[in-house]
Amino acid sequence: QMQLVESGGGVVQPGRSLRLSCEASGFNFSHYAILWVRQAPGKGLEWLAVISSDGFNQYYADSVKGRFAVSRDNSKNTVTLQLSSLRADDSALYYCTRDMSKTGTVFIVDHWGLGTLVTVS
Amino acid sequence: QSVLTQPPSVSAAPGQSVTISCSGRSPNIGINSVSWYQHLPGAAPKLLIFDNTKRPSGIPDRFSGSKSGTSATLGITGLQTGDEADYYCGTWDAALSAGVFGGGTKLTV
Repeated sequence: QMQLVESGGGVVQPGRSLRLSCEASGFNFSHYAILWVRQAPGKGLEWLAVISSDGFNQYYADSVKGRFAVSRDNSKNTVTLQLSSLRADDSALYYCTRDMSKTGTVFIVDHWGLGTLVTVS
Repeated sequence: QSVLTQPPSVSAAPGQSVTISCSGRSPNIGINSVSWYQHLPGAAPKLLIFDNTKRPSGIPDRFSGSKSGTSATLGITGLQTGDEADYYCGTWDAALSAGVFGGGTKLTV
């Protein structure tokens, strides 16, 4: 059964950093791009960042460019989202998701994790 | 302000049909396919439509998608109370080199 499990969320002070992890199972991890989506309280879904299946390409939303960094380890079936210079408006539920493509530039999310909550306060 | 524009809310009675629009521009919907997601309260979002018109396995044919120019539409027929959710469109934006979501539409049945 395909699973994406996020971890690493919590309460962090403004300006500090946090590392989110996503562990994948049940599918050929190295064949798919992985992207992060977040939802702030009372707000809609926001596309954040995607990393290609081989890890060579990353793309970011303008709102997090220069502050967030995504990486992956295909030998461990994990993706990491490093959050830096956190602000109050980064408080949200962060989802790890699978894109149907290798490149990540198609943006079709066919599987979602349950999310990990980040509170910046 | 979202790159893709959706109506904030739509409503219809059980058994009726509804459409949700998603308006974009040339660098996004104009040249890329659109996907649609259903977000039920307390659950992770779910893919309803991809490549403008295709349904993943398990999605009933009550849900349909279409695209014309720089706009896309999600259609839902035979509305059920269980369809009450937030619906989002999404696509790749070539100018931004990023994915974009619509602002979401709350469906009330």
